[in-house]
Amino acid sequence: NAGVTQTPKFRVLKTGQSMTLLCAQDMNHEYMYWYRQDPGMGLRLIHYSVGEGTTAKGEVPDGYNVSRLKKQNFLLGLESAAPSQTSVYFCASRTGADTQYFGPGTRLTVL
Amino acid sequence: GENVEQHPSTLSVQEGDSAVIKCTYSDSASNYFPWYKQELGKGPQLIIDIRSNVGEKKDQRIAVTLNKTAKHFSLHITETQPEDSAVYFCAALQNSGYALNFGKGTSLLVTP
Repeated sequence: NAGVTQTPKFRVLKTGQSMTLLCAQDMNHEYMYWYRQDPGMGLRLIHYSVGEGTTAKGEVPDGYNVSRLKKQNFLLGLESAAPSQTSVYFCASRTGADTQYFGPGTRLTVL
Repeated sequence: GENVEQHPSTLSVQEGDSAVIKCTYSDSASNYFPWYKQELGKGPQLIIDIRSNVGEKKDQRIAVTLNKTAKHFSLHITETQPEDSAVYFCAALQNSGYALNFGKGTSLLVTP
């Protein structure tokens, strides 16, 4: 099992550009999550999904969109990147027993 | 709103000493409390968790205690080793049952 994988590992964008971050899990988990991590702020939830075809907003959803077309994939989109979106992004998936497993992260810089 | 407070933000101990990190939560309906360890450049990894029907759980050098009445829980690491150096996060499951609220993290440094 690869667990939770994220693509890409690093990315540099210019303000206004768009991009999609891909999260994949091979554990057949129903729930998937996107977080951002900033210095001193801990992990903040952006969006999450409780199953294929469903998404919901978390604590900091503005400027992001998500899609869960397949159970194993959860995509995070930035339509028009802003410097405030410079962060490390983590994806996680969850067992039925509440335990969340995290991916290795994507480091995004917006210039 | 739902909130998890974590203290201290930084902790430095000598190898072999114990380390204690404390968290408080506001949502009395929370019933699941995991702890994560994050090494530099990596994603958080679950190290131990506890549910509200128990007061303490231990796994080798790591233990977690929960006081539901006071709404606080703590991570205890005994006989610390340099490889325990990392950022530790506590979390509490929201009453929705879907998402976790995280503390802001504790940077633990274990010096030889």
